[in-house]
Amino acid sequence: AQSVTQLDSQVPVFEEAPVELRCNYSSSVSVYLFWYVQYPNQGLQLLLKYLSGSTLVKGINGFEAEFNKSQTSFHLRKPSVHISDTAEYFCAVSDAGGTSYGKLTFGQGTILTVHP
Amino acid sequence: SAVISQKPSRDICQRGTSLTIQCQVDSQVTMMFWYRQQPGQSLTLIATANQGSEATYESGFVIDKFPISRPNLTFSTLTVSNMSPEDSSIYLCSARWGPGPQHFGDGTRLSIL
Repeated sequence: AQSVTQLDSQVPVFEEAPVELRCNYSSSVSVYLFWYVQYPNQGLQLLLKYLSGSTLVKGINGFEAEFNKSQTSFHLRKPSVHISDTAEYFCAVSDAGGTSYGKLTFGQGTILTVHP
Repeated sequence: SAVISQKPSRDICQRGTSLTIQCQVDSQVTMMFWYRQQPGQSLTLIATANQGSEATYESGFVIDKFPISRPNLTFSTLTVSNMSPEDSSIYLCSARWGPGPQHFGDGTRLSIL
């Protein structure tokens, strides 16, 4: 069975500061990894994904994440945040094969609040 | 990018009634999913809905409470039956094309009085 742990439930940060949202996962098989963002009263929007290849992946809105297999982590970073980045961020994992192929397991979410 | 439409976007229902949520995607897809997001919580998978077969439910979810239909490759419905206040949640559908990520609709915000 898979699990995802987002280490911070809330992250306050000032505008134009860098931010890192931490995500660790556990799985006995190869995985795909994702970050989604949820703005108030909206569904989930895909920020970025890791399927294979380069461990540093770039997504929309200036976000990037690095897959670290040895540490089973997939932390999300942005060098300079904007007020509009205020939202809840979810890390998610799915098996790259097997009977659970395609199913997503989500972390508990991190609320990012950007202050002026 | 994929377009996934859910209806209704929100509803307020009386306890003991049922509500059917519709999910329409703009291109054919094999795998569709239904999730529940309880207030202040993360997403929990209710079931996987594949066309031409019965939905596969996750532990803690049963067909009598959450019947699902998948009549074709672009449409699915989730019914929340015999609702109680504990069913107040956001219900989201998603779809997955190939080995990539799932794409989500905007969700249905359901309140039970």
